[in-house]
Amino acid sequence: AQKVTQAQTEISVVEKEDVTLDCVYETRDTTYYLFWYKQPPSGELVFLIRRNSFDEQNEISGRYSWNFQKSTSSFNFTITASQVVDSAVYFCALTPGFQKLVFGTGTRLLVSP
Amino acid sequence: DGGITQSPKYLFRKEGQNVTLSCEQNLNHDAMYWYRQDPGQGLRLIYYSQIVNDFQKGDIAEGYSVSREKKESFPLTVTSAQKNPTAFYLCASTPRYRSTTRIQGHTEAFFGQGTRLTVV
Repeated sequence: AQKVTQAQTEISVVEKEDVTLDCVYETRDTTYYLFWYKQPPSGELVFLIRRNSFDEQNEISGRYSWNFQKSTSSFNFTITASQVVDSAVYFCALTPGFQKLVFGTGTRLLVSP
Repeated sequence: DGGITQSPKYLFRKEGQNVTLSCEQNLNHDAMYWYRQDPGQGLRLIYYSQIVNDFQKGDIAEGYSVSREKKESFPLTVTSAQKNPTAFYLCASTPRYRSTTRIQGHTEAFFGQGTRLTVV
């Protein structure tokens, strides 16, 4: 079975703090993709990153960085120097060898000024 | 601009009534999906379609129906059999259907802005 766990329901930080959102996944497939999506108050999901199971290199994009560790089945997301505009619900998702995306329950991030 | 358009943004349904949610994409994507979002439960797959005139049930298809008569359109009908339809519904599309044996040219799913359905 495939499963994505986002244990943090809600995180509150003050602007400029760093924050890490945790994602732990389960799959028996050897080939799979992991994703992070952002859902702002408007509702639509915004794609942030995709990582395949063969590429464990960490990635940095501006203030965002991702740490993929197959040994612990984790794909954590860090926002450096958080801003109020980062406030949203963030979803981690997994697609194993078939078509559907399996989502975690999401982490609500609140960044206050 | 290419994208996915869902309408309406807000929809109210009376008990026992069928309602249809619209999803249109101009991205020339092959596959389309419907997800339901409830508070604290993430997104769950209702139905998906990989090609025109074909669709498959997802994890929570009971009480829903879909059609895929055109590549651009994948409407979702919430029937009276759906006992708890109040939720946020998201439509998504991907450029190419991912094979069950290997991922072919996989990329991210594009999502619409969602329809919030409320039973009154």
